[in-house]
Amino acid sequence: GAVVSQHPSRVICKSGTSVKIECRSLDFQATTMFWYRQFPKKSLMLMATSNEGSKATYEQGVEKDKFLINHASLTLSTLTVTSAHPEDSSFYICSASRMGTEAFFGQGTRLTVV
Amino acid sequence: AQSVTQPDIHITVSEGASLELRCNYSYGATPYLFWYVQSPGQGLQLLLKYFSGDTLVQGIKGFEAEFKRSQSSFNLRKPSVHWSDAAEYFCAVGPPRYSGGGADGLTFGKGTHLIIQP
Repeated sequence: GAVVSQHPSRVICKSGTSVKIECRSLDFQATTMFWYRQFPKKSLMLMATSNEGSKATYEQGVEKDKFLINHASLTLSTLTVTSAHPEDSSFYICSASRMGTEAFFGQGTRLTVV
Repeated sequence: AQSVTQPDIHITVSEGASLELRCNYSYGATPYLFWYVQSPGQGLQLLLKYFSGDTLVQGIKGFEAEFKRSQSSFNLRKPSVHWSDAAEYFCAVGPPRYSGGGADGLTFGKGTHLIIQP
């Protein structure tokens, strides 16, 4: 199956700083990438959808200025949490899909803001 | 709007016993349906999916699921669970697409935590 790699797997940052999470499709070209957020004991919530070369589409209630998404190439999308605060601490998971096929998930990034 | 309901937050099953995890969905049309498993601190692994055709779907690790249109359900089953099956299980739906549902994000249920008793 297709492999999606997410980096880093864990990150701790200070409040007020920014942190970047990478999502890479290792063996296929991903026309679409998705970013999800998972709170403890909760389901995954779709944050945004990004297509290569265009602006991301954010779900209602997700602050686009806080969660910057860039999908610069067919194999890489990045999520930058800007001016992070403790309430941004969460588990972030990306998924990537080829045109017209199912999406494959990365291993997730545990973000802790202290 | 679409929604997914997993009515059981926790399920405890003895090792070797059978398992059924429930999933109901609400959607305007027949969506694409998925079951994922997540181990603590890990990403999601796809167990199986239903797009069309045979309503009984076989997946990995001995899991199967049955799509019942009349009940808007997609329950996951396994005839004999192993201790390694202890994990969080998520049912998810995606919008119907002609080619597989990959261009839209998924809507997930809240998950069912499976505990295996020795």
